[in-house]
Amino acid sequence: DVKVTQSSRYLVKRTGEKVFLECVQDMDHENMFWYRQDPGLGLRLIYFSYDVKMKEKGDIPEGYSVSREKKERFSLILESASTNQTSMYLCASSLPGLELFFGSGTQLSVL
Amino acid sequence: GENVEQHPSTLSVQEGDSAVIKCTYSDSASNYFPWYKQELGKGPQLIIDIRSNVGEKKDQRIAVTLNKTAKHFSLHITETQPEDSAVYFCAPRQLTFGSGTQLTVLP
Repeated sequence: DVKVTQSSRYLVKRTGEKVFLECVQDMDHENMFWYRQDPGLGLRLIYFSYDVKMKEKGDIPEGYSVSREKKERFSLILESASTNQTSMYLCASSLPGLELFFGSGTQLSVL
Repeated sequence: GENVEQHPSTLSVQEGDSAVIKCTYSDSASNYFPWYKQELGKGPQLIIDIRSNVGEKKDQRIAVTLNKTAKHFSLHITETQPEDSAVYFCAPRQLTFGSGTQLTVLP
């Protein structure tokens, strides 16, 4: 059974903290993605990666960075968390051009 | 980038009725057209998809139709049931999602 695992379901951080969101997939997928989901705005792409050590900016990369040192792991980093980064964060993986498999999401609150 | 519009944003139907959600896209290079369903507290999950060489695909009560000339594709759910209540997203290619449709099936 395919699986995308996000390290935390809920996370509360303080403004200015450095935050790491981890995502691991067990399907040997080349592609991995980070989205944020806000009410009324749907899913917006932050960063994606088509291969190890490769990364591309999505629609809203400002304030975020990513790391993909191993094929199965894609990390999202908030360098200095701000209140407007309070959101649901969703990780996904896929084979090239095929369906996305999502994790259950991390609800991040920045106070 | 891709411009994706999804309508309606909310849809309420009586149990047993049909529901239709439409997605319009801008990139003529798109060749993969999926629909995702997101239930409360979960990540989106693929329910049906279609490729550009096919005009319609059906899976039991769910169907997707594609009009490449007009650059839109639609999700059709027949004989709706309460468990169909969820948020539905279109996502031509992988990078851009529609803003979502909250479907409520009233018993």
